[in-house]
Amino acid sequence: GENVEQHPSTLSVQEGDSAVIKCTYSDSASNYFPWYKQELGKRPQLIIDIRSNVGEKKDQRIAVTLNKTAKHFSLHITETQPEDSAVYFCAATGFQKLVFGTGTRLLVSP
Amino acid sequence: DVKVTQSSRYLVKRTGEKVFLECVQDMDHENMFWYRQDPGLGLRLIYFSYDVKMKEKGDIPEGYSVSREKKERFSLILESASTNQTSMYLCASSLSLVTGSYEQYFGPGTRLTVT
Repeated sequence: GENVEQHPSTLSVQEGDSAVIKCTYSDSASNYFPWYKQELGKRPQLIIDIRSNVGEKKDQRIAVTLNKTAKHFSLHITETQPEDSAVYFCAATGFQKLVFGTGTRLLVSP
Repeated sequence: DVKVTQSSRYLVKRTGEKVFLECVQDMDHENMFWYRQDPGLGLRLIYFSYDVKMKEKGDIPEGYSVSREKKERFSLILESASTNQTSMYLCASSLSLVTGSYEQYFGPGTRLTVT
């Protein structure tokens, strides 16, 4: 089945810096790759997603890139702000379900 | 706006008790999921259902069972709670895998403590 690895587990940046979180997946049949943000005490919420027929997608300060050949995808956050502090989860489609990475705790210091 | 609700935010049970966690979604979603969330382990799938009365094992089904008698409701059952089942439990739903609508909407979570 699908296996998703996510790095780093924690990431500390200064406000205004960029942050990059990377994930690799194992199943070449996976075709959907979402990113979820979970703020402290709240439920995970989708922030951006990409399908396998697209190499890059951008939404304001966040972007996701996908390399199907290497089977990895990344989340890029530019001009980080304190409200970006949260746990971020990547995921990939397995058979009938999403398989999540273990999460990255991002801390943005003012 | 999709709403996924869970029956309790916090629950404390004793070892050996039977525990029911309920999840309700109001958007006519076909698929429903139960995860547990533990620090450093991410979201691990316990069971999921893609139709009424249908269920599929996820990655960690041992010690759990589920019930889906109605489309909007998905219950997670701990037949005999143990301390290693102390965790945050998250329910989620998604529209349809057949149409490629994979986005999952999560409930607020139930923090279960088994003593």
